[in-house]
Formats: sequence, structure tokens, C-alpha cells
Amino acid sequence: AQKVTQAQTEISVVEKEDVTLDCVYETRDTTYYLFWYKQPPSGELVFLIRRNSFDEQNEISGRYSWNFQKSTSSFNFTITASQVVDSAVYFCALSEIQGAQKLVFGQGTRLTINP
Amino acid sequence: DAGVIQSPRHEVTEMGQEVTLRCKPISGHNSLFWYRQTMMRGLELLIYFNNNVPIDDSGMPEDRFSAKMPNASFSTLKIQPSEPRDSAVYFCASSLGRPGPWDEQFFGPGTRLTVL
Repeated sequence: AQKVTQAQTEISVVEKEDVTLDCVYETRDTTYYLFWYKQPPSGELVFLIRRNSFDEQNEISGRYSWNFQKSTSSFNFTITASQVVDSAVYFCALSEIQGAQKLVFGQGTRLTINP
Repeated sequence: DAGVIQSPRHEVTEMGQEVTLRCKPISGHNSLFWYRQTMMRGLELLIYFNNNVPIDDSGMPEDRFSAKMPNASFSTLKIQPSEPRDSAVYFCASSLGRPGPWDEQFFGPGTRLTVL
């Protein structure tokens, strides 16, 4: 069965520090997609990135980067030079080809960036 | 373009009352999802529709919950009778609905339901 684990419940850092959010997944499918969503204090979930199981290239978007490693079933998210506006709950999610469009979410990591 | 629209944003009701949550997906999106978020259980998929047809309702907690999508631009999630344990934030999301697992879902602002 598919499962997503975000072991870090809460992380608190000082502004400008780098921070990495961990995500480990379980699936029997060979074709699947991984996602990261951000839930700011306003409440709605915002899509950040999608990665398919055949593409292990790291992705960088500004201060955000993602490291996908199939060998360890991990899809970690790093924020470089964190800012107060990065404070949010971050969710990792998995979608399998057998599950069609169903997203299975991890429990989320609450990130607090202190000024 | 408007995002996913949900109403009401907040709902407070008493145990035993009927509650109806509403959702308007993004125009042109063919899939619609209802999620529930609680501290204990996190984000759970309740049901999803593709082309207005319910595809998977295995996440619906019990018979007190029902969902409908009468047309491409409107869906409802009904709880009758409501119970205090139904208190949660209910999200509606939509996606293009192409076959396969790759479409990102766009979420509405959520409805915060409190059942007293």
C-alpha cells in the first residue's frame, strides 16, 4: 500500500538558515508521481512541484530545491536562505498510476522561520 | 482566472443538523476532489469525481456523508446528521483530470466546520 512519511513534525530555524524537509514514501508501483504542497497560515494548499518516478534529476527553483532518490525512496525539499514568508506547513504527496489521480499525503511538517 | 471556490468558509452547527458544503471547480477541470483535514488524521481524500462521475468514494467515513456533482461546475458534500467528530476543515480541489497520476490539484480555501 502507498504511504508517505514526513518524520519531522515541526522545524524552527532562524531566518537565512538553510532547512531541509524530509519525505520518505512507499509504493509498489514503478510509475508514480511525487508532489510538494505548501499550506501557509491562510489555509489553502499551494502546489510547489511535481516529479515523476523516472526523473531523478534534482530540481532548483530560486531558493527552493528538491532531491529525489529512488534508492532511498526519498524526495526531500530544501529551502536555502530561509525567509519569514516561508513559514507554513509543507506536505509531501504520492500519486500512483494504479491509483489514478488519488493523492496520498504525508502528515506535514510545520516550518517556522524566526526573524 | 478564478480558483476553486468553496462556500461557506466557516460553518458552526449543532449536533444532529444537516450540513452542506459547496464547491465550484476551476473551469475546464474534469476532476474534483473532496478532502478532510484534522489534526489527528491529517489530509484524507473522501471522494473524487471525474467528468461528474464518482470514481472512488472509499474515503467517505460512513453513510452520514454523501457527495454529488450534478454538473461540471458544482459539487456538494453533505453530512446528515452531523456529529462533533465531523469538525474539521474540508477542502475541495480540482485538476485537469487527464488519465494518469501527474496532474497537480488546485485547492480551494477550505470550509472550517465546527459541530457543537
